[in-house]
Amino acid sequence: DIQMTQSPSSLSASVGDRVTITCQASEDISIFLNWYQQKPGKAPKLLIFDASSLETGVPSRFSGSGSGTDFSFTISRLQPEDFATYYCHQSHNLPYTFGQGTRLEIK
Amino acid sequence: EVQLLESGGGFVQPGGSLRVSCAASGFTFTSSAMNWVRQAPGKGLEWVSGITGSGTTTDYADSVKGRFTISRDNSKNMVYLDLSSLRAEDTAMYFCAKEGGSYFLNSFDMWGHGTMVTVSA
Repeated sequence: DIQMTQSPSSLSASVGDRVTITCQASEDISIFLNWYQQKPGKAPKLLIFDASSLETGVPSRFSGSGSGTDFSFTISRLQPEDFATYYCHQSHNLPYTFGQGTRLEIK
Repeated sequence: EVQLLESGGGFVQPGGSLRVSCAASGFTFTSSAMNWVRQAPGKGLEWVSGITGSGTTTDYADSVKGRFTISRDNSKNMVYLDLSSLRAEDTAMYFCAKEGGSYFLNSFDMWGHGTMVTVSA
């Protein structure tokens, strides 16, 4: 199985900050890496697919990059509604695997 | 509007069985592989099982293989997950998730709100 190592596990930041989360795959997954946002008590929501493609309707302050084994996810200017948990997910091979999650908290 | 609505969760004793269901609407159902993803209380996301749009191919996480069975009824736009030989560690919110294509290896572009399964004596 492909292991996804996401860091940091938690992050404190302020409105207007730029934040970056990383995700490392245990083997080459090309660009088959997706990012989701989950708010407490809610379902995950797709933000970025195929490493860098923005899902329809998602604000442009969210972006992703990377290929192979190393990926990053950036929020350029944090908004109050962005404080949530973020997960990476590899769709290169079954079984699908997720990163451990990054909890983004208000400083 | 694309919608996924799970149902069927509840309390069950260890060793028991349960069926959870997912009703889909707002998209061409056979054009999407479907998956179940679970989340134990306070924990991260774990993929459980998937089924292709035609229903001919399925796959499972090792943790549930031989105990859970995924199926779909394309005439009713429904996906099911039959859970058996349940263990305490199966306690989780079970989410239905739609893929962006009829086969596997896509992102999950829509999720249901989830249904809670609690395994306890």
